[in-house]
Amino acid sequence: DIQMTQSPSSLSASVGDRVTITCRASQSISSYLNWYQQKPGKAPKLLIYAASSLQSGVPSRFSGSGSGTDFTLTISSLQPEDFATYYCQQSYSVCTFGQGTKLEIK
Amino acid sequence: EVQLVESGGGLVQPGGSLRLSCAASGFTVSSNYMSWVRQAPGKGLEWVSVIYSGGSTYYADSVKGRFTISRDNSKNTLYLQMNSLRAEDTAVYYCAREDYYDSSGYSFDPWGQGTLVTVSS
Repeated sequence: DIQMTQSPSSLSASVGDRVTITCRASQSISSYLNWYQQKPGKAPKLLIYAASSLQSGVPSRFSGSGSGTDFTLTISSLQPEDFATYYCQQSYSVCTFGQGTKLEIK
Repeated sequence: EVQLVESGGGLVQPGGSLRLSCAASGFTVSSNYMSWVRQAPGKGLEWVSVIYSGGSTYYADSVKGRFTISRDNSKNTLYLQMNSLRAEDTAVYYCAREDYYDSSGYSFDPWGQGTLVTVSS
């Protein structure tokens, strides 16, 4: 199976900060990479698909980039509702997720 | 509105069985690829199983031989039959649709709200 490694595992930031989360695949996955946001007690919510396409209804402060093995999720200006855990997921082969990045308020 | 609603979770003893249900509205389960994804308490997401529109099924190694995914087209409902349950199967179980954006790539959308399965004596 393809291993997905996110960094950092946790991150403290302030409202208004620009934040970047990285996801690395153990082999090339082209652009078959998605990003999800999960808040406590809730199901994950799709933010970005195909590495850089913004899901309908998701604020434009979220963006994704990358291809091959290295991907990033960027939040341009953190809002209070963005504090959550973020997961990457590859659909190139048997589905695997990253271990998650918990974004906390500084 | 496209929606998934899970049910059937609960407390079960090790070695026991449980069947989860996932009722869909706003789309047809049998025309889509449908997956189960689980999340152990305080842990990350783990894909469990998928059923394709043609009926083929696939499982994670951790549940192969113990879990069975199926659907009832008349009820537009997805199921996960879980047998020989172990403590490590304790998790919130989510059903999700594989939403294809090209011939190979997909994302999970929508997701159900999740149902908690606790395996404990």
